[in-house]
Amino acid sequence: AQSVAQPEDQVNVAEGNPLTVKCTYSVSGNPYLFWYVQYPNRGLQFLLKYITGDNLVKGSYGFEAEFNKSQTSFHLKKPSALVSDSALYFCAVRDTSGGSYIPTFGRGTSLIVHP
Amino acid sequence: GAVVSQHPSRVICKSGTSVKIECRSLDFQATTMFWYRQFPKQSLMLMATSNEGSKATYEQGVEKDKFLINHASLTLSTLTVTSAHPEDSSFYICSAGDSSGNTIYFGEGSWLTVV
Repeated sequence: AQSVAQPEDQVNVAEGNPLTVKCTYSVSGNPYLFWYVQYPNRGLQFLLKYITGDNLVKGSYGFEAEFNKSQTSFHLKKPSALVSDSALYFCAVRDTSGGSYIPTFGRGTSLIVHP
Repeated sequence: GAVVSQHPSRVICKSGTSVKIECRSLDFQATTMFWYRQFPKQSLMLMATSNEGSKATYEQGVEKDKFLINHASLTLSTLTVTSAHPEDSSFYICSAGDSSGNTIYFGEGSWLTVV
């Protein structure tokens, strides 16, 4: 079985400060991990993914995420937040070990960046 | 990344009528597409998996006869909401996997309002 948790409903950060949006996962085998961003009244945009290789993954708009196998986490980070980063962020996981090819999405974290 | 187009972006229909939403993969072939429903400020609810050339697989609790899914080609899947009621008003989002099957890309979503 695969599952993903985003423990924070909302994250508030001041513009220019670093931001972190948390994600933890549970899979039977190895995970494929994804981050998506959703702006109001829009579909989800792909930000980045971890399949294999380097634990630090760089994605769109200056975002990055670090795969930590021991902590089963895949937190999304950005060194300097922008007001325009304010949106809803979804983490997703897919178990590569005979599980469903359909990813499971977290419930989403609302990121609010204050000017 | 791959592009998924969804149309219409907004539609208003009268109770009792049917409305069709189209989902197209523009630059890749998608043997599988996914249909989600999203309520305001909530996560994605997977409704069904659309398979090209075969019947869709519906999630538990989703009425097959109400939400008709057709995936007639490798680039097009349609969702038809039949005999629409006001409670069907929602944001519907489609997605499709890229050729590697590792990443899912989303359409822009369709707002359905039933009056």
